[in-house]
Amino acid sequence: GAVVSQHPSRVICKSGTSVKIECRSLDFQATTMFWYRQFPKQSLMLMATSNEGSKATYEQGVEKDKFLINHASLTLSTLTVTSAHPEDSSFYICSAGTPHSYNSPLHFGNGTRLTVT
Amino acid sequence: ELKVEQNPLFLSMQEGKNYTIYCNYSTTSDRLYWYRQDPGKSLESLFVLLSNGAVKQEGRLMASLDTKARLSTLHITAAVHDLSATYFCAVVSYSGGGADGLTFGKGTHLIIQP
Repeated sequence: GAVVSQHPSRVICKSGTSVKIECRSLDFQATTMFWYRQFPKQSLMLMATSNEGSKATYEQGVEKDKFLINHASLTLSTLTVTSAHPEDSSFYICSAGTPHSYNSPLHFGNGTRLTVT
Repeated sequence: ELKVEQNPLFLSMQEGKNYTIYCNYSTTSDRLYWYRQDPGKSLESLFVLLSNGAVKQEGRLMASLDTKARLSTLHITAAVHDLSATYFCAVVSYSGGGADGLTFGKGTHLIIQP
């Protein structure tokens, strides 16, 4: 079945540095990928929609200059957390879908746990 | 703005019992998903519900959708410890066939005790 791979699974970085997270669709082409953030014991919140070949669409309250998204190919989207701060520590999860995945589950990556010290 | 409400948010039950988790959403949607999340893990897809009256079953879990009431239920039959997890419902707005991000409920933290 379709698989979404996310890397790294865990990262610890110092405050002020940038971290890049990759999301790959392994056996299908994903014209759209989604980035979510989950704080401990909370639900998932959609951050942005990544569209292949065009600019990402950010949800209200998400700083596009802080969370840079690049979707350069049909199988790869990246999220870069720039100038990370401790409050950015969270579980980041990507998911992928295609315009014709109407009756299929949206597949999620295994997530990236980011800790900013 | 689409809102998704789940209840209960926390549920402790004994093995062998039945229970239902409810998911209400505020605006018309053409897709509803149920996911399971184990601690420290990502989401595991359980069900995709598309149409009014849809019912799907997998093992001890059964999900249904009433689009008129904007309500979905996840029913657990004869619970076993392995079903302990957090369950999320998520809804996508009508998209005309395009892919859209999901709005999640707050999740139901389910603990099943022997």
